Amino acid sequence: TQLLEQSPQFLSIQEGENLTVYCNSSSVFSSLQWYRQEPGEGPVLLVTVVTGGEVKKLKRLTFQFGDARKDSSLHITAAQPGDTGLYLCGAGGTSYGKLTFGQGTILTVHP
Amino acid sequence: EADIYQTPRYLVIGTGKKITLECSQTMGHDKMYWYQQDPGMELHLIHYSYGVNSTEKGDLSSESTVSRIRTEHFPLTLESARPSHTSQYLCASGTVFDEQYFGPGTRLTVT
Repeated sequence: TQLLEQSPQFLSIQEGENLTVYCNSSSVFSSLQWYRQEPGEGPVLLVTVVTGGEVKKLKRLTFQFGDARKDSSLHITAAQPGDTGLYLCGAGGTSYGKLTFGQGTILTVHP
Repeated sequence: EADIYQTPRYLVIGTGKKITLECSQTMGHDKMYWYQQDPGMELHLIHYSYGVNSTEKGDLSSESTVSRIRTEHFPLTLESARPSHTSQYLCASGTVFDEQYFGPGTRLTVT
């Protein structure tokens, strides 16, 4: 079973601060997705990265896939209260059609 | 508009009752999934399907069963609900690139 470790598990910051969430594994993945989930709702896909070293930007969010495709990071610039939620990374490629999910990072941004 | 639907959103039921959680998607995806998730916690895969008449058990053992008679429909059934089944149940469909799209979830409480 591949393990996908996310850190930190909890993050509480003030509005305007920057933050980075990490997703690490000893396994190589063909793709990695980041999701954001609000309480009582299902996760929403933010981005998919597939190429080692790939960087994608979504407004204030920057996603990076490690060169060896074993790790990824999510960086948020100038966090806002609307960024509050559970962030999940999910990696695929080793078991057809199944994703391995990290434990999640609960982000709280205080006004 | 292509989407994924789950009903009911909330369900409170007594011990021993039989329940079916509905999931439908209009995206034409062959792959569908059921996850169990406690609030703010990681996702646990309990069932998945690669297409019509295909169903597999996931990584987390579950007393529930699923069926896939039509591509767009993937219901989950609990023959006899117990308090230990109280949780949020999330349905998702997946693309050939392993991206998953989630429904809003069903919050089940068994009393």
